[in-house]
Amino acid sequence: DAGVTQSPTHLIKTRGQQVTLRCSPKSGHDTVSWYQQALGQGPQFIFQYYEEEERQRGNFPDRFSGHQFPNYSSELNVNALLLGDSALYLCASSFVYGTSSTDTQYFGPGTRLTVL
Amino acid sequence: QQQVKQSPQSLIVQKGGISIINCAYENTAFDYFPWYQQFPGKGPALLIAIRPDVSEKKEGRFTISFNKSAKQFSLHIMDSQPGDSATYFCAASNDRGSTLGRLYFGRGTQLTVWP
Repeated sequence: DAGVTQSPTHLIKTRGQQVTLRCSPKSGHDTVSWYQQALGQGPQFIFQYYEEEERQRGNFPDRFSGHQFPNYSSELNVNALLLGDSALYLCASSFVYGTSSTDTQYFGPGTRLTVL
Repeated sequence: QQQVKQSPQSLIVQKGGISIINCAYENTAFDYFPWYQQFPGKGPALLIAIRPDVSEKKEGRFTISFNKSAKQFSLHIMDSQPGDSATYFCAASNDRGSTLGRLYFGRGTQLTVWP
């Protein structure tokens, strides 16, 4: 049973460019959350997708957007990249029981984004 | 603001010793408290988790102690091994409601276990 997978592993971009990161959730999971982890810091919540809609969002600008597909996989898009966007981007998946509770979140290995 | 505060930032323990990491929170709506272990270049992996209805949970060498009135919880690693050297994150979430499943992480503790 494959866990959470993410692609690509590493990515180097320049300021002003746009980037798309991809995530496939653990089998049986229907909810995907994205986190940004700066060097030496704990992960910070970006947003969460459930039933192909953004369910909740953390304190990130509109340059960060996402999408969830019918097969539950997800993309994270970042426009107009800044140097400060350099970080490890983590995808976590879970299963939501109805609308009221969620199972444990499992993290993927992350995508290391470097903005020059 | 940091919803979960974690200390110490770094910890050095001798092999066979006890490693203790502490966390504190303010939001009384939190009802799920996991600990994650992260090795360099890897994503966080769930180690152990607790809910507020119990004061302690033990899994192998790992124990969570939870003090609801003080809004504090801690991770104890017994008989620490060099393979335990990693960064440990405490986290908290409200498993229900509008922030369903959103994890709030501490800043992490870098544990080094010397052989």
